[in-house]
Amino acid sequence: QITLKEFGPTLVKPTQTLTLTCTVSGFFFSTRGVGVAWVRQPPGKALEWLGIVYWDDDKDYSPSLESRLSVTKDNSKKEVVLTLTNVDPVDTGTYFCVHRRSHRFWFDPWGQGIAVTVSS
Amino acid sequence: QSALTQPASVSGSPGQSITISCTGTTSDVGGYDFVSWYQQHPGRVPDLLIYDVTNRPSGVSDRFSGSKSGNTASLTISGLQAEDEADYYCCSYTRTGTYVFGTGTTVSVL
Repeated sequence: QITLKEFGPTLVKPTQTLTLTCTVSGFFFSTRGVGVAWVRQPPGKALEWLGIVYWDDDKDYSPSLESRLSVTKDNSKKEVVLTLTNVDPVDTGTYFCVHRRSHRFWFDPWGQGIAVTVSS
Repeated sequence: QSALTQPASVSGSPGQSITISCTGTTSDVGGYDFVSWYQQHPGRVPDLLIYDVTNRPSGVSDRFSGSKSGNTASLTISGLQAEDEADYYCCSYTRTGTYVFGTGTTVSVL
């Protein structure tokens, strides 16, 4: 069974860096085509795709966040880390890490999500 | 890239059929058969409903079906039930190797 769970701060000050960790189980990062992505959802608003890291360390980022976003993985720890620099209150929302199956183009399952507030 | 366009809300009576549209461009919806749909009940995590435009994961009711024509994908819910009240999001792979979600649609059962 594939599971993902997000960890990190629930409150971050404007201009600081947000670092979230996604711990995964039930699959191997070494499996060709596998990826883990991040999706966020501001309160009461729509889902927004942020970025993805693949089994081979290739990465893709949303153009709107590319300058501030980094997604990395640690195979041995089975962790995926999201780093978002210079945060602003508009970055407030629930952040989900999601699994992309090998060479597939959908996301399943999703982590439970972590609610992050950016406020001074 | 801009979010895919969905109607803000769609409603129907129990037993009726409703359709939610998801409009993109030739760089995303129109260019690939990699559209997925997710159902999100209030306060819950999104669940995969449809993948690759028309396919249902095991366990998803056959009342849910997907289709695509040109740059617009659609999700149809047949035999609408109270439990179908939720938010629905489409998602597409894009030409640049990224993904984009839709603006979301709230389904109400009258």
